[in-house]
Amino acid sequence: DAKTTQPTSMDCAEGRAANLPCNHSTISGNEYVYWYRQIHSQGPQYIIHGLKNNETNEMASLIITEDRKSSTLILPHATLRDTAVYYCIVRDRSLPWAGNNRKLIWGLGTSLAVNP
Amino acid sequence: EAGVAQSPRYKIIEKRQSVAFWCNPISGHATLYWYQQILGQGPKLLIQFQNNGVVDDSQLPKDRFSAERLKGVDSTLKIQPAKLEDSAVYLCASSLDRTGRMSYEQYFGPGTRLTVT
Repeated sequence: DAKTTQPTSMDCAEGRAANLPCNHSTISGNEYVYWYRQIHSQGPQYIIHGLKNNETNEMASLIITEDRKSSTLILPHATLRDTAVYYCIVRDRSLPWAGNNRKLIWGLGTSLAVNP
Repeated sequence: EAGVAQSPRYKIIEKRQSVAFWCNPISGHATLYWYQQILGQGPKLLIQFQNNGVVDDSQLPKDRFSAERLKGVDSTLKIQPAKLEDSAVYLCASSLDRTGRMSYEQYFGPGTRLTVT
């Protein structure tokens, strides 16, 4: 199974960009990288996902290296409400390609603290 | 759009007792997931339903855990009998997945915090 490695914790000043790295050196060519976050006492929230190209939405940008072995989630202007645990996830490839039974493998994530 | 609803939000029981959690997914979402999240860890998938059929229950401790999704909408997760190590947050999530194409944009409920004493 592809695994991800993330820093345990990070700090960021309010209003600055938060850059959260993720290593997924064993990812295969057809696996997506997904990012979720979990604010304290809430359920996880989907942020963004990508395969090869950089992606941007209203919440964040995802930068994937050309060799796809790592990626960075960028929150361009972090606010206090962005304080959360951020999970970088790749899809379980141990099951057959067809069907919906390829679950996400969640690691420990990065605890991001946005400071005033 | 209403989100995923779960109840109760908190539950405290003694070991060997039974407990049930309820989940109502987002309307129209065909796929429903139950996760267990132990403090300090990421969520672990317990069971995944596609409509009212089980897609994946490989990590469900079937000797004590059971789940059902009658009529492909609401779902219940039951633990009987509970052990101390079952203390965790139980999260329910749903996603569209109606066309057979995989959608990993899952929408989560607030979770039920279970404490087994």
